[in-house]
Amino acid sequence: DTAVSQTPKYLVTQMGNDKSIKCEQNLGHDTMYWYKQDSKKFLKIMFSYNNKELIINETVPNRFSPKSPDKAHLNLHINSLELGDSAVYFCASSPPPSGNTIYFGEGSWLTVV
Amino acid sequence: GESVGLHLPTLSVQEGDNSIINCAYSNSASDYFIWYKQESGKGPQFIIDIRSNMDKRQGQRVTVLLNKTVKHLSLQIAATQPGDSAVYFCAEKDGNYKLTFGKGTLLTVNP
Repeated sequence: DTAVSQTPKYLVTQMGNDKSIKCEQNLGHDTMYWYKQDSKKFLKIMFSYNNKELIINETVPNRFSPKSPDKAHLNLHINSLELGDSAVYFCASSPPPSGNTIYFGEGSWLTVV
Repeated sequence: GESVGLHLPTLSVQEGDNSIINCAYSNSASDYFIWYKQESGKGPQFIIDIRSNMDKRQGQRVTVLLNKTVKHLSLQIAATQPGDSAVYFCAEKDGNYKLTFGKGTLLTVNP
């Protein structure tokens, strides 16, 4: 009955590979997000979708491509992985009105070797 | 760009003491603020929020104070317990979808 669930929790992969992280929320929220947390714990937004429409796209390399098949899912695909992509990626969702309390998933630990 | 920062990166307290975690924000247009708690290996968890038309809000053992004059936010935890040990983040929103997070403060509670 996890509210925001993301898979995989841990991912170790080699440079140059392509990988995806999946996210699903069962809260009925309209808005979903991807955040990246670096080694210094700094949380920074990457993308946000509202009802499957992209509404926030921060300065993120275009190797990162979010996909929202429906408003309960927001997946993150990363092409040509680089060492600097190693981080924890958090999926999150929020109910309307826009941008209020955001609920986070448990995170996906990505290590690029 | 606009940013949210914390005065103290680490805070160590004795069990049973009160804790105060501070946060400075720079966007005077921010109208909504949230405190999150992040335990090791987990995602950020909502603790308490406050809107810009308030200066104080209380929850269970936690109180958030907002001083818009000096753009300062604080989280007070009463009778701190070992389970309160975590990284605490403040976050601000200025009317759009995006929450901007501060750097985080590591709270350590000593038994």
